[in-house]
Amino acid sequence: DSGVTQTPKHLITATGQRVTLRCSPRSGDLSVYWYQQSLDQGLQFLIQYYNGEERAKGNILERFSAQQFPDLHSELNLSSLELGDSALYFCASSVGSGVKNIQYFGAGTRLSVL
Amino acid sequence: DQQVKQNSPSLSVQEGRISILNCDYTNSMFDYFLWYKKYPAEGPTFLISISSIKDKNEDGRFTVFLNKSAKHLSLHIVPSQPGDSAVYFCAASVRNQFYFGTGTSLTVIP
Repeated sequence: DSGVTQTPKHLITATGQRVTLRCSPRSGDLSVYWYQQSLDQGLQFLIQYYNGEERAKGNILERFSAQQFPDLHSELNLSSLELGDSALYFCASSVGSGVKNIQYFGAGTRLSVL
Repeated sequence: DQQVKQNSPSLSVQEGRISILNCDYTNSMFDYFLWYKKYPAEGPTFLISISSIKDKNEDGRFTVFLNKSAKHLSLHIVPSQPGDSAVYFCAASVRNQFYFGTGTSLTVIP
């Protein structure tokens, strides 16, 4: 158990809908990262937050947004969903914001867009 | 554009032998490299990392080699154990951005 909690584990929705994925980082971790893993793809880095502030941005679509709350949990909002958004979404957390901080991953949320 | 590539989707090795997992990258600006291991239904777990200023880092049975001129990274596992059977991802970082390969599924045969 990494200590990172992602909810829900599975999500099934329809095209055009909006969903929210939630991540609770390990106790004491200030950084949260979001990744997308599509079928047969590597993990795609989406975005990083550190102590409530956006720290780094990857290939995150404009239809997607994220935030980190004062209690350090994070939410990833996906809107106007398309079939191609079906993927496994991982959240990770680390103590600090630098790349040498070990990231601990949650078990992921599997999103199916029908 | 896949900046980090793992060209071998799978690898099988006998228990006790060496496992060598390979990774190639295209961006010469990458300054930090990592390997993660992933079991089914779990998130990736950090294994070992190396800075671009080094060419080798060792941690127990795991050694990562970096050849910057060839833009090549490898992970050696010696000796391989059945519990090492998992999917291994290499990753590289630049400016706090992370790029992952597609993974190599390692099977260690008892």
